[in-house]
Amino acid sequence: QKEVEQNSGPLSVPEGAIASLNCTYSDRGSQSFFWYRQYSGKSPELIMFIYSNGDKEDGRFTAQLNKASQYVSLLIRDSQPSDSATYLCAASGSARQLTFGSGTQLTVLP
Amino acid sequence: DTGVSQDPRHKITKRGQNVTFRCDPISEHNRLYWYRQTLGQGPEFLTYFQNEAQLEKSRLLSDRFSAERPKGSFSTLEIQRTEQGDSAMYLCASSSGLAGVSEQFFGPGTRLTVL
Repeated sequence: QKEVEQNSGPLSVPEGAIASLNCTYSDRGSQSFFWYRQYSGKSPELIMFIYSNGDKEDGRFTAQLNKASQYVSLLIRDSQPSDSATYLCAASGSARQLTFGSGTQLTVLP
Repeated sequence: DTGVSQDPRHKITKRGQNVTFRCDPISEHNRLYWYRQTLGQGPEFLTYFQNEAQLEKSRLLSDRFSAERPKGSFSTLEIQRTEQGDSAMYLCASSSGLAGVSEQFFGPGTRLTVL
């Protein structure tokens, strides 16, 4: 069983809508959680991280963490076609390396 | 450009050959990570350095793989006797190593194709 699971895609939303990306993790020792965006053929680009229960907002992005449910999500408000990419969820524990999910491919339709 | 850099960006080799990749982290970042990514998957951890010390190595990492960071700055990843299954994107990331959450920033990657 993969340690970080992401909701199966691909996900399509219309321009201007809210895109919701979900992630669950199995290791309760995980302390910090990261969302990366990856365009086709490019390397992952850090969007934001979260380590406390609750919500964290950064511009159009909101990360949510629920440690009791071992659940992390990323909301993208006012989605734009330029947001079309694969979104990777990653967890980090005391060992520092990141454990990634397989990614969710998002397409924002104009 | 003060980001993570990797060289080469692309490498095509024949099975059985050795290849070496280089990574230059963000200056003053003392942690450096190597990951491998295949199509449709997220990056998979390979190994991690803090300064020049290699602190962790994935159990999945074959003995054909070796990494160094001799002076605590740039790092090299060598793959000996390459196999077709080694074809992947090899990603390097660095982080500051400060207390608390330490974000990792990725380089552009080296895409390896083993024929």
